[in-house]
Amino acid sequence: EDQVTQSPEALRLQEGESSSLNCSYTVSGLRGLFWYRQDPGKGPEFLFTLYSAGEEKEKERLKATLTKKESFLHITAPKPEDSATYLCAERGTDSWGKLQFGAGTQVVVTP
Amino acid sequence: DVKVTQSSRYLVKRTGEKVFLECVQDMDHENMFWYRQDPGLGLRLIYFSYDVKMKEKGDIPEGYSVSREKKERFSLILESASTNQTSMYLCASNPGGRMTYEQYFGPGTRLTVT
Repeated sequence: EDQVTQSPEALRLQEGESSSLNCSYTVSGLRGLFWYRQDPGKGPEFLFTLYSAGEEKEKERLKATLTKKESFLHITAPKPEDSATYLCAERGTDSWGKLQFGAGTQVVVTP
Repeated sequence: DVKVTQSSRYLVKRTGEKVFLECVQDMDHENMFWYRQDPGLGLRLIYFSYDVKMKEKGDIPEGYSVSREKKERFSLILESASTNQTSMYLCASNPGGRMTYEQYFGPGTRLTVT
């Protein structure tokens, strides 16, 4: 069964302290790696899709990268408003677009 | 912008009650999904639908059923609610076909079964 593992489970950062979140996957035929942001009590908000190793995407202080077995979400000079749970998900060979989600990394950025 | 709405943000039901959770999307998406989210377990797929009146089981369909009578609306039904169905329920949709596979989520319904 495909598995998606995110680490660390939780991350506490000072404002301005850059860090990276990890998402590793086991599916052999990756057809998309997705990152979402989720605020407490809300639904996940789509951030990025990555399709091939070496691909990078950026949005404000967030940059997502992809290798053959893992993806990283880099948070550069975070602000308190970047506090959220970050979820990654992979799409394997399923034809209906089903996604397999990791458990998430909870990020807290303190002033 | 894609908009996915869910009928309730918070719901409290008693054990044994029949519960309906409704989801509506306004972007003419083909595929719709129901997940539940529990601490430490992430999002788990309950059911999905790839067309009107079509449905497929996800990873944890036991105790649930679904209905999709119109393209924009996907309902999750708990035939006889139990306390272990207390959870956050999330609906999502995506365009389907050979288009992008990003899923767009509603705000969630936090269901408590007592």
